[in-house]
Amino acid sequence: EVQLVESGGGLVQPGGSLRLSCAASGFTLSSYWIHWVRQPPGKGLVWVSRLNDDGTYTNYADSVKGRFTISRDNAKNTLYLQMNSLRAEDTAVYYCVRGTVGAPGLDHWGLGTLVTVSS
Amino acid sequence: QTVVTQEPSVTVTPGGTATLTCASSTGAVTSDYHSNWFQQKPGQAPRSLIYGTTNKHSWTPARFSGSLLGDKAALTLSGVQPEDEADYYCLLDFGGGQLVFGGGTKLTVL
Repeated sequence: EVQLVESGGGLVQPGGSLRLSCAASGFTLSSYWIHWVRQPPGKGLVWVSRLNDDGTYTNYADSVKGRFTISRDNAKNTLYLQMNSLRAEDTAVYYCVRGTVGAPGLDHWGLGTLVTVSS
Repeated sequence: QTVVTQEPSVTVTPGGTATLTCASSTGAVTSDYHSNWFQQKPGQAPRSLIYGTTNKHSWTPARFSGSLLGDKAALTLSGVQPEDEADYYCLLDFGGGQLVFGGGTKLTVL
């Protein structure tokens, strides 16, 4: 069974840093594109970042470019999102999502982890 | 800034048909945008329904279908069930690493 479990969320002050983890099971991360998507409280979904299957290609939304870094540990089958220079508007539930094989898309979602940026 | 627009709300009666659309501020949505659709119920993570404009996941109920309708992407629910009441989001891939979600449509089944 495919599972994605996010962790690492919490309360952080503006300007601080946090690293989110996404532990995958039931499949090999390095065979798929993987995305981070966030959802501010009471609002809609926002695409954040993605990493390709061989780990050589990354993309970021303009709102996080230069502050967030997506990476992967193949041995641990775990995806990461390093978030620096955090702002209040980064407050959201962060989901990791597996990409589909074949036509571009997303398939399996984790349950998410909440990041709150506040003083 | 690219904006993806969905109807804020749609109401449908049980057994009826609902069509939700997804438009781009850049112009017509084509198959090159690989539209995806997601369902989210209160307090739950989103669930993927459609990818690559028309493709269903193994868990997607048969009553859901994706298409292009005029210059928009569309999600059609045929024979709506009460449990289909949820928020629905589309996602468009503009290429070059730019993916944008629509603002979501709240589907009410009355």
